[in-house]
Amino acid sequence: DGGITQSPKYLFRKEGQNVTLSCEQNLNHDAMYWYRQDPGQGLRLIYYSQIVNDFQKGDIAEGYSVSREKKESFPLTVTSAQKNPTAFYLCASSRGPYNEQFFGPGTRLTVL
Amino acid sequence: GENVEQHPSTLSVQEGDSAVIKCTYSDSASNYFPWYKQELGKGPQLIIDIRSNVGEKKDQRIAVTLNKTAKHFSLHITETQPEDSAVYFCAASRGSARQLTFGSGTQLTVLP
Repeated sequence: DGGITQSPKYLFRKEGQNVTLSCEQNLNHDAMYWYRQDPGQGLRLIYYSQIVNDFQKGDIAEGYSVSREKKESFPLTVTSAQKNPTAFYLCASSRGPYNEQFFGPGTRLTVL
Repeated sequence: GENVEQHPSTLSVQEGDSAVIKCTYSDSASNYFPWYKQELGKGPQLIIDIRSNVGEKKDQRIAVTLNKTAKHFSLHITETQPEDSAVYFCAASRGSARQLTFGSGTQLTVLP
């Protein structure tokens, strides 16, 4: 089955620790995205990548970092510099920047 | 930048009735308007989209209308079923997924 996987589904971390969220896709899509979702709010773009070894900041990139070493993978690191990291994180991919986005199931991060 | 407002935030309808969710946008250059359905614990899924060169698009029980002059667009679901219960998000973009701005979401509950 083709799709996007995110792991883990739930993640707990202590304040001050960095944590990396996994996102893998087997759709052969060039573009990948990370969004943050907070209760009562729409999705906000953290980072996006249109091609391997290239990525750009989205609207709320502060306190986050990414890498795109492989086409299939786009991990997101939530650093200790992110002031309010507790949220639901969604990864998405698309064939290109003007094509439909497909979303993964999300990772709920709770920082204690 | 673009601002998308979505109403209502919650909507309850009886099974078989119609549901309407409305969004307004601020950027007159926006030309792509997708709607997403998000079920509990899952990522959003595109259900219908419309581009600015058409005023209405239908797909079975779902339709979207666009009024470019007034800068608003609406999602219409007819003959609602319990499985339509979910959070629905509208979004607007100048064309690329990177530029998508999401509304804050509508929790639709279809009562049996």
